[in-house]
Amino acid sequence: SQQGEEDPQALSIQEGENATMNCSYKTSINNLQWYRQNSGRGLVHLILIRSNEREKHSGRLRVTLDTSKKSSSLLITASRAADTASYFCATDANNAGNMLTFGGGTRLMVKP
Amino acid sequence: EAQVTQNPRYLITVTGKKLTVTCSQNMNHEYMSWYRQDPGLGLRQIYYSMNVEVTDKGDVPEGYKVSRKEKRNFPLILESPSPNQTSLYFCASSFWRQGLYGYTFGSGTRLTVV
Repeated sequence: SQQGEEDPQALSIQEGENATMNCSYKTSINNLQWYRQNSGRGLVHLILIRSNEREKHSGRLRVTLDTSKKSSSLLITASRAADTASYFCATDANNAGNMLTFGGGTRLMVKP
Repeated sequence: EAQVTQNPRYLITVTGKKLTVTCSQNMNHEYMSWYRQDPGLGLRQIYYSMNVEVTDKGDVPEGYKVSRKEKRNFPLILESPSPNQTSLYFCASSFWRQGLYGYTFGSGTRLTVV
């Protein structure tokens, strides 16, 4: 069963705008990760946030985690056309690095 | 270059014809996994392996087999493929050690079973 549920399922914005994607999950986690996938290609790891962290930054990416609400958000600032992709959150419940549970993903389209 | 290599990238086969999708990693990772990706369902784990000769079922193992005879290889075997196994498959390798974490995905294998 899916652990993470992304919201929205699809998002279309203009270049330069910010994009915010949300992820909710059901059970306790040790860490949550965000991945990017270009159409039909492999997943690229973007950022990992541990359960004891509340916010993390990496370049134009900002991830927040609220364990009390079992939710996370990914913010991409100053979006570019090249950011067009699907974005997935994935939770790691046992901290062993061997099993991630993915959500259904958010399809982001950034129009030039 | 550190990578996970899957082969083939594309495969069309007929129902019931046994096939194997290979996966190899060059990072000496202990853990390897197989996922399938279907529209609207995200990625679901099929099988994973914690180390050589240690494998376990993920969320959707039915109709699949795996083996881990060597650390670098983790092939996915479909003994008798059926159309509902048409999907995009990803192999991944990972490690988790002393707070360090790494998870690398292959480029995917698009399988069509007719």
